[in-house]
Amino acid sequence: ETGVTQSPTHLIKTRGQQVTLRCSSQSGHNTVSWYQQALGQGPQFIFQYYREEENGRGNFPPRFSGLQFPNYSSELNVNALELDDSALYLCASSLGWEQYFGPGTRLTVT
Amino acid sequence: RKEVEQDPGPFNVPEGATVAFNCTYSNSASQSFFWYRQDCRKEPKLLMSVYSSGNEDGRFTAQLNRASQYISLLIRDSKLSDSATYLCVVNTGNQFYFGTGTSLTVIP
Repeated sequence: ETGVTQSPTHLIKTRGQQVTLRCSSQSGHNTVSWYQQALGQGPQFIFQYYREEENGRGNFPPRFSGLQFPNYSSELNVNALELDDSALYLCASSLGWEQYFGPGTRLTVT
Repeated sequence: RKEVEQDPGPFNVPEGATVAFNCTYSNSASQSFFWYRQDCRKEPKLLMSVYSSGNEDGRFTAQLNRASQYISLLIRDSKLSDSATYLCVVNTGNQFYFGTGTSLTVIP
């Protein structure tokens, strides 16, 4: 196992609501990246945090935001949920370029 | 044009076969390259990084061709446990781009 944990495992929300997903990185890893994976697709890069600062962002709207804490754990917040936000949300922690993924949070928006 | 393109397959091969996957990337400034495998409804797991000189890990060999902007993965002596989706990943700046994955099924 990678040592990367995510919570919750599953979540059901209604369109327009807000959601917070959590990730604990592998011990010693100072970088966390978040991805969205729709069914049948590869993961899409949302953003990356390095030492509590956003360090790179993919093509996602501002309603996707995040935080990284001093212990390097991280949150992904999504406001004004849309049906298309239904997906598996993965976080990955890293120290260098190699990333190690958590099991993901499966979000369903109805 | 997508940053990373892969043939989605599926590839159905008998046990013991050799199978190769290719992946092309669009940005010549890309810096790091990886192969991940993903089992159904699980998270991606790092299979190997890909170096310019090529690298091997047991039955797996990865190659990078910067001039043609593609990376490849060769699996020799396929096992049933190799059945999975194989994702190529390209790092450009501070962004990571995943292909859509290539599905492999190894048949007894």
